[in-house]
Amino acid sequence: GIQVEQSPPDLILQEGANSTLRCNFSDSVNNLQWFHQNPWGQLINLFYIPSGTKQNGRLSATTVATERYSLLYISSSQTTDSGVYFCAVFDFGNEKLTFGTGTRLTIIP
Amino acid sequence: DARVTQTPRHKVTEMGQEVTMRCQPILGHNTVFWYRQTMMQGLELLAYFRNRAPLDDSGMPKDRFSAEMPDATLATLKIQPSEPRDSAVYFCASGLVRDRVSGANVLTFGAGSRLTVL
Repeated sequence: GIQVEQSPPDLILQEGANSTLRCNFSDSVNNLQWFHQNPWGQLINLFYIPSGTKQNGRLSATTVATERYSLLYISSSQTTDSGVYFCAVFDFGNEKLTFGTGTRLTIIP
Repeated sequence: DARVTQTPRHKVTEMGQEVTMRCQPILGHNTVFWYRQTMMQGLELLAYFRNRAPLDDSGMPKDRFSAEMPDATLATLKIQPSEPRDSAVYFCASGLVRDRVSGANVLTFGAGSRLTVL
């Protein structure tokens, strides 16, 4: 099945800083999602981004499917951005939604 | 916004008791997933359904877990008998999964059911 890896595993930043999270996948896909799991455990959709670039407020994401990676950008970080960020791809080969290992982001006031 | 609804949000029970978790997927979605999340294992896929038919439940301990989808508006995950190692957060997610060409649509997760087995 498709392997999904994320980096860095942990990131600690001061409020106001910018960050880039990376997601690499082992095979070509035509679907990719970014999720944020907040400190209360809720998994929130951020982007469905099989290719190209999308922006939503301070967050944006870019997927380069031909090179098998996606990036999530967070600008002007706020403490509410803390949590774990997951990317996930639906592997039609084995019919599974495969999650990356996650990046734990901690924003310090 | 359409949402996936899970009940109960929290459940504390004693070892050996039956536990049933319920999920109402988003109307029109054809695929429902059950995931379990623990600190040690991360997000594990337990089972999923396409058009109410079970496609894969290989992630579930078959002797004690069962998953069903009696109708398009309800998916259930049952544990009988429950054990302390079943303590985890159980997530349901739904989506409209198409095919390789058109790709999968957005998958939406419920808020989760936090289970504690004493």
